[in-house]
Amino acid sequence: SAVISQKPSRDICQRGTSLTIQCQVDSQVTMMFWYRQQPGQSLTLIATANQGSEATYESGFVIDKFPISRPNLTFSTLTVSNMSPEDSSIYLCSVKGVAGGPGNEQFFGPGTRLTVL
Amino acid sequence: DQQVKQNSPSLSVQEGRISILNCDYTNSMFDYFLWYKKYPAEGPTFLISISSIKDKNEDGRFTVFLNKSAKHLSLHIVPSQPGDSAVYFCAASEGGGADGLTFGKGTHLIIQP
Repeated sequence: SAVISQKPSRDICQRGTSLTIQCQVDSQVTMMFWYRQQPGQSLTLIATANQGSEATYESGFVIDKFPISRPNLTFSTLTVSNMSPEDSSIYLCSVKGVAGGPGNEQFFGPGTRLTVL
Repeated sequence: DQQVKQNSPSLSVQEGRISILNCDYTNSMFDYFLWYKKYPAEGPTFLISISSIKDKNEDGRFTVFLNKSAKHLSLHIVPSQPGDSAVYFCAASEGGGADGLTFGKGTHLIIQP
């Protein structure tokens, strides 16, 4: 499997501000996704990060709130904009289609724990 | 509407015995299923998967069973070890795994010495 890193690992932010989370993979991957896990809840898919084009968002998530970039096959960013306390979650990057690896499994990064005051 | 359900929030099993974690789904379009293990402050770790064309997949101590007619899958861990104590998530996907995953709420497995 690929080695996936996320920055920052955690942050405490003031409401109304924005935070950009980075996801770096040590090998090229076909697909990258962003999930969040709110306190006591399961993981929820936010969007699929598409290389060189706009991300594909799931119902309930919009680009203005969660802009996503994916400039190449190993890197993606998720921005949480105009934050409110309800955005306090763990945000996770995942990847699929690791070169030379299994085809359909998704592998997850360590997550970014965000607290909004 | 939760499409993937794990109805047991927690499960306690004695070390050396079999752990059975259950998962039900409602979306008939799901055709690829995965189990993940998660420790606190870490991302989920992939354990095992199964395609809807199979009814069983085995990898070491882990076996996943799929009953399509009942829309039910289970993860068997045998023998259970103390390091297996974690939260286990069931996840499902359409398109043979091409899409993003829909997760259950997880089951906290506790292995008792």
